[in-house]
Amino acid sequence: EVQLVQSGAEVKKPGESLRISCKGSGYGFTNYWISWVRQMPGKGLEWMGRIDPSDSYTIYSSSFQGHVTISADKSISTAYLQWSSLTASDTAMYYCAKVGDWDTTGTTWDYWGQGTLVTVSS
Amino acid sequence: DIQMTQSPSSLSASVGDRVTITCRASQSINNYLNWYQQKPGKAPKLLIYVTSNLQTGVPSRFSGGGSGTDFTLTINNLQPEDFATYYCQQSYGNSCSFGQGTKLEIK
Repeated sequence: EVQLVQSGAEVKKPGESLRISCKGSGYGFTNYWISWVRQMPGKGLEWMGRIDPSDSYTIYSSSFQGHVTISADKSISTAYLQWSSLTASDTAMYYCAKVGDWDTTGTTWDYWGQGTLVTVSS
Repeated sequence: DIQMTQSPSSLSASVGDRVTITCRASQSINNYLNWYQQKPGKAPKLLIYVTSNLQTGVPSRFSGGGSGTDFTLTINNLQPEDFATYYCQQSYGNSCSFGQGTKLEIK
């Protein structure tokens, strides 16, 4: 069974760093792009960027380039999203998602993680 | 960046109705248009990919169409479990973007 299991909710203060994770199982982790998607409270979905776990080649949305870092450790089938200095505007639910078998674009996702809620507050 | 505009932003309908949600891209996206359903507190779920392909396990009452810049999601014979928020998403090129969402509510 394909699963993407994300790390638990986080509460952080502005200026702190954070790394959240997404562990894939039940499929060939290195064969499928993984993306991260943000959903701010009560708002829509925003694509942040994607990574090829086989070689860690990464593409970012222009809106998030320079604000976050996406990485992966293929030895443990895990992708990461990290911040070096959080702000209150980073408060959101963050989802990871993998592309489908038929995908040719890198951004059409058939399986999603359960989401990680990040709250940034002083 | 390609902008996606969905309409309507909200919609009220009854069980058994047929509804259509539209999505317009700011430029041609070569049919790389997907539809997702999201229920409160849950991750999005893929319904339709590349305009009209039904994802495995999705009921046949869902269908997608369109081309170029204008696309539709149609739900026939609405069921209680279909009341949710729907997002279109373009996956053309190296980037992607979502519509703002359509909240489908029970009348």
